[in-house]
Amino acid sequence: DVKVTQSSRYLVKRTGEKVFLECVQDMDHENMFWYRQDPGLGLRLIYFSYDVKMKEKGDIPEGYSVSREKKERFSLILESASTNQTSMYLCASSQDRGASTGELFFGEGSRLTVL
Amino acid sequence: GESVGLHLPTLSVQEGDNSIINCAYSNSASDYFIWYKQESGKGPQFIIDIRSNMDKRQGQRVTVLLNKTVKHLSLQIAATQPGDSAVYFCAENNQGGSYIPTFGRGTSLIVHP
Repeated sequence: DVKVTQSSRYLVKRTGEKVFLECVQDMDHENMFWYRQDPGLGLRLIYFSYDVKMKEKGDIPEGYSVSREKKERFSLILESASTNQTSMYLCASSQDRGASTGELFFGEGSRLTVL
Repeated sequence: GESVGLHLPTLSVQEGDNSIINCAYSNSASDYFIWYKQESGKGPQFIIDIRSNMDKRQGQRVTVLLNKTVKHLSLQIAATQPGDSAVYFCAENNQGGSYIPTFGRGTSLIVHP
């Protein structure tokens, strides 16, 4: 069974703390994504990566960075957490651009609360 | 940028009824569309997809209709069950260009027993 695993389901952090959200996929996918999901706003793309050590900004990259040192792992980093980063964070992966489908496989999500 | 939107944020139906969830898209270059279902506390999951060279595709109890003329997509769920209660997202993609999908804001489907 294919899987995208997010290391933490729930986190509570304080303003100014550095936060790491980890994501691992076991499908050998080239592409990985980080979204945040807020009520009424749907899924907004923060960053994505189409290869190891490659990253591209999405629609809302401010306040975030990412790391992809290995193909199966894509980390989202909040250098200095702020209360407006309280949200549900979703990691996803997909096959290479030339694949027959563009389906994204999502993790279960990490709900972050910043106090 | 281009956007994908939904006509109704919430849809309430009775168990056994058919449900129709609508989605409008604005990028005429989009050629691939996916519907996702997100149950409470979980990540979105693929339901069904359709390419722009088709106008209808059927799965198990679900049908997706694509009207390229008016840039409209719909998901029909037959004999809706309580387990169908979830948020449904449409996503569009231009596979000839970016492989990054654009998601709609979601419709919450509530099924009453």
